[in-house]
Amino acid sequence: GAGVSQSPRYKVAKRGQDVALRCDPISGHVSLFWYQQALGQGPEFLTYFQNEAQLDKSGLPSDRFFAERPEGSVSTLKIQRTQQEDSAVYLCASSGEDGNEQFFGPGTRLTVL
Amino acid sequence: QKEVEQDPGPLSVPEGAIVSLNCTYSNSAFQYFMWYRQYSRKGPELLMYTYSSGNKEDGRFTAQVDKSSKYISLFIRDSQPSDSATYLCAMREQAGTALIFGKGTTLSVSS
Repeated sequence: GAGVSQSPRYKVAKRGQDVALRCDPISGHVSLFWYQQALGQGPEFLTYFQNEAQLDKSGLPSDRFFAERPEGSVSTLKIQRTQQEDSAVYLCASSGEDGNEQFFGPGTRLTVL
Repeated sequence: QKEVEQDPGPLSVPEGAIVSLNCTYSNSAFQYFMWYRQYSRKGPELLMYTYSSGNKEDGRFTAQVDKSSKYISLFIRDSQPSDSATYLCAMREQAGTALIFGKGTTLSVSS
């Protein structure tokens, strides 16, 4: 497929568990963004990569959140010791070199019990 | 006060109506303005993209940006039941930077 893909689509975790969410951007897109969307809210920025470099992580809510993109393609968002307030949809978006349009994936819906 | 304000609705209209959606913002450095459509349990899909002030039309959709008033609008003509979704405004200061979203307006178009 030509779009952004994310896996898993749904994840249920017990409080305290670690989770890893994967994003496959559109091939060739240098920029990759992670957003968090709580129920009934707009997406909120978490972190931004240009190729493998993490240029902005100012939106990560705590040090339990960690993101990486080691080869400048696939990215993983990891949440350690999940809490109930981490329950949300995690969206990944990618854009080309001009940085104009951001194309979103379907998101991973995380539920922490 | 959030940087971007958007009335969440819900907004219900009959098929064929003209729909007006809008957002206000506080950061005068915003230059790029977008409207996304999000269906339930799907990711946002880009509808309209505007740089700086002015109007842009694409089929039944028209986007307007008034930077002097810090106000943006999306108009949908001849609305269809398939337009029922949440509409998110988004904006940013520079190309390639993070988007700041509004809360989203839920639209329902009845046949």
